[in-house]
Amino acid sequence: GIQVEQSPPDLILQEGANSTLRCNFSDSVNNLQWFHQNPWGQLINLFYIPSGTKQNGRLSATTVATERYSLLYISSSQTTDSGVYFCAVPPNTGGFKTIFGAGTRLFVKA
Amino acid sequence: EAGVVQSPRYKIIEKKQPVAFWCNPISGHNTLYWYRQNLGQGPELLIRYENEEAVDDSQLPKDRFSAERLKGVDSTLKIQPAELGDSAVYLCASSLVLASGTYEQYFGPGTRLTVT
Repeated sequence: GIQVEQSPPDLILQEGANSTLRCNFSDSVNNLQWFHQNPWGQLINLFYIPSGTKQNGRLSATTVATERYSLLYISSSQTTDSGVYFCAVPPNTGGFKTIFGAGTRLFVKA
Repeated sequence: EAGVVQSPRYKIIEKKQPVAFWCNPISGHNTLYWYRQNLGQGPELLIRYENEEAVDDSQLPKDRFSAERLKGVDSTLKIQPAELGDSAVYLCASSLVLASGTYEQYFGPGTRLTVT
């Protein structure tokens, strides 16, 4: 089945710093989502981005489907950005079973 | 618009006891998912419903887990009997699956289960 790898696994930032999170996937996909799981466990939708670039405030994401990766950019990080960031993709074999990466654990220091 | 609702938020039971989780998806979403998330890992799909039909339950431990989605709206996930290894967060998600195959999943707050 499709493999999803996220890097880095852990990241510590000083408030105000920028960062880039990466998601590599082993097969072509037609759907990709980025989520933020806050310290209370809630999974929050950040982007639905099967291809191209999207921006939402301080966050933006780019997916290059032909090269099988997606990037999540966080600019001017805030302490509230702390948590785990997941990318999730379905296999190209069809269906809607979503495979999650292991996540990037981000801690932003004040 | 109300999000995905789950209850209870927390549950502590002794092993061998039964437990049930309830999920109400976003109105109009035709697809509902149950995931299990172990500590430090990403969510793993247990079962997916398309309307009231279970279309992917390959990862549901059918000897002790069961699920239903009556009338294609609310869903219940049950474990009987629970084992220590079932301690995890159980997440429900829903999506509107379009004919083009595109969809975006929305998650509920989850139920944190502790089996003692």
